[in-house]
Amino acid sequence: SQQGEEDPQALSIQEGENATMNCSYKTSINNLQWYRQNSGRGLVHLILIRSNEREKHSGRLRVTLDTSKKSSSLLITASRAADTASYFCATDVGTASKLTFGTGTRLQVML
Amino acid sequence: GAVVSQHPSRVICKSGTSVKIECRSLDFQATTMFWYRQFPKQSLMLMATSNEGSKATYEQGVEKDKFLINHASLTLSTLTVTSAHPEDSSFYICSATKSKYQETQYFGPGTRLLVL
Repeated sequence: SQQGEEDPQALSIQEGENATMNCSYKTSINNLQWYRQNSGRGLVHLILIRSNEREKHSGRLRVTLDTSKKSSSLLITASRAADTASYFCATDVGTASKLTFGTGTRLQVML
Repeated sequence: GAVVSQHPSRVICKSGTSVKIECRSLDFQATTMFWYRQFPKQSLMLMATSNEGSKATYEQGVEKDKFLINHASLTLSTLTVTSAHPEDSSFYICSATKSKYQETQYFGPGTRLLVL
């Protein structure tokens, strides 16, 4: 399976703290994307980082990519209770826009 | 915008019946739509890729005669679960892209299927 692994599987933090999630994958990629899923809902695209990029920012989100280690991390700074959700990385290997999703990290931000 | 809807949001059916799930792109034309299946607390598994006007491409292990996909227009794709069984109970999610070169996908809200 080409499915990526994410760790931790679950993360519980206090509001205001930073949350870091990691993703590892197995094959060469065109880009890596992060998505968020609220319980029982569809996914929302957060950020895309291309294979030739090493770091990208979007608001409170910071994504890094290390293609030599085939890994990526998502950092959410100053977390809020509304950030509680599952976060998935997804890799695009360039085949008809198909994405392969990681196993996901369930983040809970407590008040 | 890029809004994708799914209907129904949840469905309960008896074993042996067929269920149709619709996926619509509301404010854009979707050249490609994807169908995923998700079990509780697990990741999304791609079932098939659907292109308007052509046959769907199914992932390995997905029975095309059981999961019928029709992409009749640039805004609508349907997934029909035929002769549903309890093991088909799952969360089915569709997504769409605006062009074949687009890298991000826009997801529908999902359909929860329960087969009794």
